[in-house]
Amino acid sequence: AQTVTQSQPEMSVQEAETVTLSCTYDTSESNYYLFWYKQPPSRQMILVIRQEAYKQQNATENRFSVNFQKAAKSFSLKISDSQLGDTAMYFCAFTRNDMRFGAGTRLTVKP
Amino acid sequence: GAVVSQHPSRVICKSGTSVKIECRSLDFQATTMFWYRQFPKQSLMLMATSNEGSKATYEQGVEKDKFLINHASLTLSTLTVTSAHPEDSSFYICSARDPKGQRLGYSPLHFGNGTRLTVT
Repeated sequence: AQTVTQSQPEMSVQEAETVTLSCTYDTSESNYYLFWYKQPPSRQMILVIRQEAYKQQNATENRFSVNFQKAAKSFSLKISDSQLGDTAMYFCAFTRNDMRFGAGTRLTVKP
Repeated sequence: GAVVSQHPSRVICKSGTSVKIECRSLDFQATTMFWYRQFPKQSLMLMATSNEGSKATYEQGVEKDKFLINHASLTLSTLTVTSAHPEDSSFYICSARDPKGQRLGYSPLHFGNGTRLTVT
């Protein structure tokens, strides 16, 4: 079974600075997909970024980028130029067919 | 973009009664939908995978007789919490994947807005 581990329950960052959220996973599969979702206080799940395991190039979406290390089974999320609206729970997720989530990291962006 | 509608958003029921939650894919057909449960300040835990026209696949530890799932059409899945008890109080979220034009696993899950169930 696949497991996803987020070892940082809470993090904070000053507005406009950069923060990195960690995620590791365990799988015996060779091809899979990884996602980061954001859950603000409204509890709506919002896709942040996604990565295909067979692609070596790290995905980037505007201020969000990932550092995907397949051998190390690591998939961290970097948020640049943090904004107050980035304050939310962030979940790392692994999928082949269904989707499994990590425990989440609560990120607070401070003004 | 793909939209998943979940209803109701909030429900309060008495212990022993049953509650039905609906999940609809509004602009795509979903052969598979997923039901998650989220306790306060915790992660989303997969409860079951709902398959159109066939029985749902339940995760270990999830009582299939308590959490009845029906996926009768390509756009609707329902979760019925039967004989609800206070410990069933939680946030339930459905999701579906629109695979059109993409590799299946690469398609992101689209989530409903969730249902907050309170059993008194």
